[in-house]
Amino acid sequence: GAGVSQSPRYKVAKRGQDVALRCDPISGHVSLFWYQQALGQGPEFLTYFQNEAQLDKSGLPSDRFFAERPEGSVSTLKIQRTQQEDSAVYLCASSWPEGVNTGELFFGEGSRLTVL
Amino acid sequence: AQKVTQAQTEISVVEKEDVTLDCVYETRDTTYYLFWYKQPPSGELVFLIRRNSFDEQNEISGRYSWNFQKSTSSFNFTITASQVVDSAVYFCALSEDSNYQLIWGAGTKLIIKP
Repeated sequence: GAGVSQSPRYKVAKRGQDVALRCDPISGHVSLFWYQQALGQGPEFLTYFQNEAQLDKSGLPSDRFFAERPEGSVSTLKIQRTQQEDSAVYLCASSWPEGVNTGELFFGEGSRLTVL
Repeated sequence: AQKVTQAQTEISVVEKEDVTLDCVYETRDTTYYLFWYKQPPSGELVFLIRRNSFDEQNEISGRYSWNFQKSTSSFNFTITASQVVDSAVYFCALSEDSNYQLIWGAGTKLIIKP
């Protein structure tokens, strides 16, 4: 596609429910990032993939959060047993290899998760 | 520790006015990168500019200009002759040398009234 695509755009989950958020990066982009953005705040880094390898998951807030990118393209962020504090917009970004160092990331529109 | 501060939570101006968005950063590294991103109501963050710590030359791109001053650890963003389409949340961000993680400010919501 022309840009980074994320789905669903909006997700309402009951506390304790598992959710899966999908990211389709720009074709050919080897680097993929997940960020979490709370209301009125800047994004916070969650995890980074280069192709299918998850090189950094230091930002994942707990072991309830899991991300994968099995074929080096589409990525899924899974949150198990959701809690109210998980409510946020989850942003996916992709870039060419050089974009990792230049910081020129291409973002999707995000998936807004609301946990009731 | 790295930190980015955008003290202006919200700015509202009338169209055609000039407006400056402030960004102050903290880092112990001598090599680092500063960024501005725009987040319109649709939600996707749009890259505007990257500046490395060794290049203090100011940059102008159309109605946008950036003033980088290491002496005050600031990287301010000015929009000249603002337009309604400039309305968005603007984020300043920092990354340290060889670190792909961006550290973001809290953002400044810019409202341009017609």
